[in-house]
Amino acid sequence: KQEVTQIPAALSVPEGENLVLNCSFTDSAIYNLQWFRQDPGKGLTSLLLIQSSQREQTSGRLNASLDKSSGRSTLYIAASQPGDSATYLCAVSDSNYQLIWGAGTKLIIKP
Amino acid sequence: DTAVSQTPKYLVTQMGNDKSIKCEQNLGHDTMYWYKQDSKKFLKIMFSYNNKELIINETVPNRFSPKSPDKAHLNLHINSLELGDSAVYFCASSHPGLTKNIQYFGAGTRLSVL
Repeated sequence: KQEVTQIPAALSVPEGENLVLNCSFTDSAIYNLQWFRQDPGKGLTSLLLIQSSQREQTSGRLNASLDKSSGRSTLYIAASQPGDSATYLCAVSDSNYQLIWGAGTKLIIKP
Repeated sequence: DTAVSQTPKYLVTQMGNDKSIKCEQNLGHDTMYWYKQDSKKFLKIMFSYNNKELIINETVPNRFSPKSPDKAHLNLHINSLELGDSAVYFCASSHPGLTKNIQYFGAGTRLSVL
């Protein structure tokens, strides 16, 4: 049974720092992996999607990597800003498009 | 122009009541989902419909009944609400062929059962 783990559960860093969020999954037979952002009172926003055949995806200051064989993904955020404060969720998808979610990392960027 | 909209945003009700949460998407997607986010922040899929047909039905109490009148709507009806039903419920939609399975989520409905 697929399990997704995110470490750390919470992270607080000063503005401007680069940071890495980690996601691990137990079954490497995934279809794709997504990183989401969750803001209080708002829906989840898909940030990056990496297909199983890809190793990384970039969008602006965000870079997500995927190492399927080791069951790991990282989300790198460059030059963090207070507006980046949110909960970041990792989810893997099987071939039936069913998402299995991690519990998230709550990120606080201090001005 | 909200892509996936859920109503209501907040729902406070007594144990034993019956309630419904509505979801609509204007993205032209074929597939819609209901997720439950528990107190530990894990999201767990409950149901998925593709073109009004049920394709995923995880182990949830049969007090929960999804209804899809058309592919743009997926409503969730809950009978005989229990304290443990308190959670945030998210609706989502996707069109795997066009958007590579990116799911677009509603803002969530926070259900509190007293």
